[in-house]
Amino acid sequence: DAGVIQSPRHEVTEMGQEVTLRCKPISGHDYLFWYRQTMMRGLELLIYFNNNVPIDDSGMPEDRFSAKMPNASFSTLKIQPSEPRDSAVYFCASSLEGTQYFGPGTRLTVL
Amino acid sequence: AQSVTQPDIHITVSEGASLELRCNYSYGATPYLFWYVQSPGQGLQLLLKYFSGDTLVQGIKGFEAEFKRSQSSFNLRKPSVHWSDAAEYFCAVGVGSNDYKLSFGAGTTVTVRA
Repeated sequence: DAGVIQSPRHEVTEMGQEVTLRCKPISGHDYLFWYRQTMMRGLELLIYFNNNVPIDDSGMPEDRFSAKMPNASFSTLKIQPSEPRDSAVYFCASSLEGTQYFGPGTRLTVL
Repeated sequence: AQSVTQPDIHITVSEGASLELRCNYSYGATPYLFWYVQSPGQGLQLLLKYFSGDTLVQGIKGFEAEFKRSQSSFNLRKPSVHWSDAAEYFCAVGVGSNDYKLSFGAGTTVTVRA
């Protein structure tokens, strides 16, 4: 199995631009999680889905962040407009029966 | 809500020496417990997990962990550390069925000296 796939691996953008991060979960997994990791805050859960339905988005920092899961094999996390404080590594993880498997992450830099 | 404490922010160990990383959790019932490892620039890799049964769990890369209910602990151990074990280690706890959200500890950074 290819594992969780994330793209792009690195993204550099300017403040105010729209950023879209993509995730392909492991086939057959029914949960998908989006995390953000920074030195200051560590690993934060942003939102998670079960069978493509958002379950808990209480970790999404503000309305500039949105996430979708249109089907079982694809999810996006969008930031519009982006700000320098959004710079972080964003991880996607998928899960089956409780064990989460992480993707390699997207390193986002907002200038 | 469940929570996880990793008391040691940073540990330095000599290559070939033993390693123990501490993890304490707060949760009323028997939790699902995990250890993940993150090498620089990489994602989190699952080392091992405990759901039920034998309280001593074997994982990948020669790691093991022991669940001690009386101490609310799930410490990670390795008898002989290799230079490639230098990384950050995260303990995580989940509540189990119907909610597979995990709470992560702040992580312990392990440095291996020659």
